[in-house]
Amino acid sequence: QVQLVESGGGVVQPGASLRLSCAASGFTFDSYSMHWVRQAPGKGLEWVAIIAYYGSDIHYAESVKGRFAISRDNSKNTLYLQMNSLRPGDTAVYYCARAGGVEVETARGDYWGQGTLVTVSS
Amino acid sequence: QSVLTQPPSASGTPGQKVTISCSGSSSNIGSNTVNWYQQLPGTAPKLLIYSNNQRPSGVPGRFSGSKSGTSASLAISGPQSEDEADYYCAAWDDSLKGVLFGGGTKVTVL
Repeated sequence: QVQLVESGGGVVQPGASLRLSCAASGFTFDSYSMHWVRQAPGKGLEWVAIIAYYGSDIHYAESVKGRFAISRDNSKNTLYLQMNSLRPGDTAVYYCARAGGVEVETARGDYWGQGTLVTVSS
Repeated sequence: QSVLTQPPSASGTPGQKVTISCSGSSSNIGSNTVNWYQQLPGTAPKLLIYSNNQRPSGVPGRFSGSKSGTSASLAISGPQSEDEADYYCAAWDDSLKGVLFGGGTKVTVL
């Protein structure tokens, strides 16, 4: 069965960096585009980024552009989110989600991980 | 970043139909498909409806989706107590080149 397991969250100070990972299993990872979506405590869902199945087509939310970088290693079935210059407003649970297929311009996320909490605080 | 507009709350009894609206614009709902997600308390979101009106396998038939112009809606026909959750619409936006989510609607079954 499809499984997505996020890791790498924690408590960091403003301005710090953190790298999240999402380990995928149960499907052909390199046949799907992948999303990162976050949810601040008590708030709604906010899309962060998407990466194409082959890795070179990438889109970001304006709120993270220039600070976050999404990447993937298809040989390791793993998705990453490098987060730099973190701000208190980045505090959230970060979810990875599998898109519906190879399409990049899509809001479909048919499987989600359980999320990893990132807290940015001094 | 702008969001798609949803009512903050909706409610109904098991004998009624609960409908949640999602209003957007020509660059998102007007030109792309709409997806709906259900988030039960303390859990990750789950895809409920994709491509405007398609149900993934395992989603009960009481959930249905529709789209007209720049708006979409999710209907729950005869909601059950286990349907109490937050519901989000989402669509790709061609201008922003990104995904927009609605603000979420909390559904209560009376």
